[in-house]
Amino acid sequence: GIQVEQSPPDLILQEGANSTLRCNFSDSVNNLQWFHQNPWGQLINLFYIPSGTKQNGRLSATTVATERYSLLYISSSQTTDSGVYFCAARSYMDSNYQLIWGAGTKLIIKP
Amino acid sequence: DGGITQSPKYLFRKEGQNVTLSCEQNLNHDAMYWYRQDPGQGLRLIYYSQIVNDFQKGDIAEGYSVSREKKESFPLTVTSAQKNPTAFYLCASKAGVSAGELFFGEGSRLTVL
Repeated sequence: GIQVEQSPPDLILQEGANSTLRCNFSDSVNNLQWFHQNPWGQLINLFYIPSGTKQNGRLSATTVATERYSLLYISSSQTTDSGVYFCAARSYMDSNYQLIWGAGTKLIIKP
Repeated sequence: DGGITQSPKYLFRKEGQNVTLSCEQNLNHDAMYWYRQDPGQGLRLIYYSQIVNDFQKGDIAEGYSVSREKKESFPLTVTSAQKNPTAFYLCASKAGVSAGELFFGEGSRLTVL
């Protein structure tokens, strides 16, 4: 089945910095999502982006399906951006309808 | 407001007791999912259901059971057969099983003493 890898595993930045998180996947996808898990454990949907580019405020995401990667950009980081960012994807070829999850990128924004 | 409601948020139980976690959604979604998360780890799929009265095992189904008698409800029972039940449990749903955006509840934190 599809494999999903995220990098970097950890990222520590000062408030105001920009960051790029990467998600590589091993097969063609028809579903790819980015989530933010806050310190209380809640998983918040950021983007549903199997292809193309989307923006929402300071966050944007790009998925290049032909090259099998997705990028999440965070600009002008704030302390509330801290948490774990997960990428999850599903391949066209998978018959079990499961999203496969990356291990996450832990982001710490220092004031 | 539309969403997914999990209860209870925190639960403490003695070893050997069965525990049932509730998950209710009013999004009219067909597919529902249960995930387990251990500290510092990612999500692992326990069970999922594509339609009422049908459900499938995920990667770590042993020691758990589910039912899907109503479209909006997908309760998870953590049985005494689960060797290490202390974890954070997340319920999710989406409109269909193939494509479509997955939405999560706020989670239930189970501690077995």
